[in-house]
Amino acid sequence: QVQLVQSGAEVKKPGSSVKVSCKASGGSFNSYAFGWVRQAPGQGLEWMGGLIPVSGATTSARKFQDRVTFNADTPTSTVYMELRSLTSEDTAVYYCARGNGDTGYNWLDPWGQGTLVTVSS
Amino acid sequence: QSALTQPASVSGSPGQSITISCTGTSSDIGGADLVSWYQQHPGKAPKVIIYGVTKRPSWVSTRFSGSKSGNTASLTIYGLQAEDEAVYHCCSYTPTTLVFGGGTKLTVL
Repeated sequence: QVQLVQSGAEVKKPGSSVKVSCKASGGSFNSYAFGWVRQAPGQGLEWMGGLIPVSGATTSARKFQDRVTFNADTPTSTVYMELRSLTSEDTAVYYCARGNGDTGYNWLDPWGQGTLVTVSS
Repeated sequence: QSALTQPASVSGSPGQSITISCTGTSSDIGGADLVSWYQQHPGKAPKVIIYGVTKRPSWVSTRFSGSKSGNTASLTIYGLQAEDEAVYHCCSYTPTTLVFGGGTKLTVL
């Protein structure tokens, strides 16, 4: 069973960047896509985008496409999400999840445990 | 792309059945059979319970059932149990993005 383990909580200043990691273990890494979803306090889930490590192909939600980067380190089975130009509205729990299905993202399973990113001056 | 529309909350007594709706458009839910549902307990990560509108992972109880009609998908939970109390999120794949609903909090009375 594949497990996704994310990096720890972060506190950032407005205008800075954050990079969250997500390490996969127990399953195939190159055969899948990996997506990123965030959840602001008390809010619903919001799709940010993702990548397919074997090809390097990425997709980003329009809202984030100017300030988010996704990449992967295949030897360590780790994917990364970097978000730049942070504001207080980026305070949220960030989840990585493995994509499944013929589009790569038909459904998301499993999910990482989440990484709380707090943006505060 | 606008979020899918879900009721903010639903409730039911143990043993009863409830249905959560998720309304989108012909560009998302109505466009393909790529709707998934996620269960999220407080402080935990979401877990998939339905994918491909009606399919259930092997570890998910048969009490959970998904369906779709036009631009609206539905999740039905039969024989409510206390452990079903959680937030349920619907999601639809589109060629350009994934779109989620706002989430529905299920209270088991």
